[in-house]
Amino acid sequence: DAKTTQPNSMESNEEEPVHLPCNHSTISGTDYIHWYRQLPSQGPEYVIHGLTSNVNNRMASLAIAEDRKSSTLILHRATLRDAAVYYCILTLISNFGNEKLTFGTGTRLTIIP
Amino acid sequence: DAGVIQSPRHEVTEMGQEVTLRCKLISGHNSLFWYRQTMMRGLELLIYFNNNVPIDDSGMPEDRFSAKMPNASFSTLKIQPSEPRDSAVYFCASSLKLSGFSGANVLTFGAGSRLTVL
Repeated sequence: DAKTTQPNSMESNEEEPVHLPCNHSTISGTDYIHWYRQLPSQGPEYVIHGLTSNVNNRMASLAIAEDRKSSTLILHRATLRDAAVYYCILTLISNFGNEKLTFGTGTRLTIIP
Repeated sequence: DAGVIQSPRHEVTEMGQEVTLRCKLISGHNSLFWYRQTMMRGLELLIYFNNNVPIDDSGMPEDRFSAKMPNASFSTLKIQPSEPRDSAVYFCASSLKLSGFSGANVLTFGAGSRLTVL
């Protein structure tokens, strides 16, 4: 499976934008880029996913590099409730036997009041 | 919808005892995933099912672990006999995978079952 590389930790001030980077230089053309986050003492929570184009939803935006070898999760205005571990994950399209989400160590995001 | 429901939330047991963790999928979902999380190993996928059929159990640690889906909405993960190294938080997650759909699989996780084996 293609691997992702994320910084172990990041800090950001409350009410400022946060850009969480992810490198996936071995990504294949059929890999989706997923982001999940895990708040303290909770299960992981879906944030966003994309394939080639940038994506926006109510939680965040996903900016995907043109060569797809990296991506950035953007939280437009961080709040204290966004403090969590953020996971960048690649999965294969279809072929049901390869639908696994394999979590790495993620980035622990700390929000400073 | 109540989301993915796991029970028990906390279990403390002694080495050698049988442990059964339970998971109720979101209504209408047809894929079920069991994960285990520890400080040392992070989140590990143990097994996943589609339409009640196990698809990939390569993450199941050993024969002491078994998972079943007796029906479309419910799953159990059983550890027999349990050992202290099985202490972890066990998560299940469900998703809806449409036949022939080639898009991404979005998982909804439960709150987890924290297992402590003494």
